[in-house]
Amino acid sequence: AQKVTQAQTEISVVEKEDVTLDCVYETRDTTYYLFWYKQPPSGELVFLIRRNSFDEQNEISGRYSWNFQKSTSSFNFTITASQVVDSAVYFCAVLNTGFQKLVFGTGTRLLVSP
Amino acid sequence: EAGVVQSPRYKIIEKKQPVAFWCNPISGHNTLYWYLQNLGQGPELLIRYENEEAVDDSQLPKDRFSAERLKGVDSTLKIQPAELGDSAVYLCASSLMGGPNTGELFFGEGSRLTVL
Repeated sequence: AQKVTQAQTEISVVEKEDVTLDCVYETRDTTYYLFWYKQPPSGELVFLIRRNSFDEQNEISGRYSWNFQKSTSSFNFTITASQVVDSAVYFCAVLNTGFQKLVFGTGTRLLVSP
Repeated sequence: EAGVVQSPRYKIIEKKQPVAFWCNPISGHNTLYWYLQNLGQGPELLIRYENEEAVDDSQLPKDRFSAERLKGVDSTLKIQPAELGDSAVYLCASSLMGGPNTGELFFGEGSRLTVL
């Protein structure tokens, strides 16, 4: 069975600070996908990124970057120069490709104050 | 392009009453999901449809929950009778099946249920 652990329940930062959200996953599959989703106060989850288990290259998209380390089963998410609009709950998830079931962590609430 | 539409956004009922939630997915998305999100938790899959077929309903409490997706487009999730523990947000999502879109789900804003 898949499992995702997001140990940080809530993080508070001041605007322009960098922040890293941690994610540790468990899976028995050799092929899997990892995801990050953002849930703003409006409620709908928004897809941010998908990583294939065979691709450990880090990825950067604007102020967002992701660090995938298979050796430690981690897929951490860093926001550089945080902004108030980044305030949301962020979920890490793992996909069992065989059963097409996306398993989410419990989320990390990020509060960015001006 | 319209996103996933859910209704109602909020529903307050007394326990033992029935309730239904409706979802209209993104046009062309053949896979539809219903997720349950309890306060402070991540979404948990209740049921997944591929077209009209429910391909994964293992987490759906079938004694009181039912779902349908007639014609492979809109879907309805029903609870009858509702219990206090059913208070949660019910999220609908849709996606294209397989390939590069694997796991990229588009979510609605959810239906928040309060059972008194």
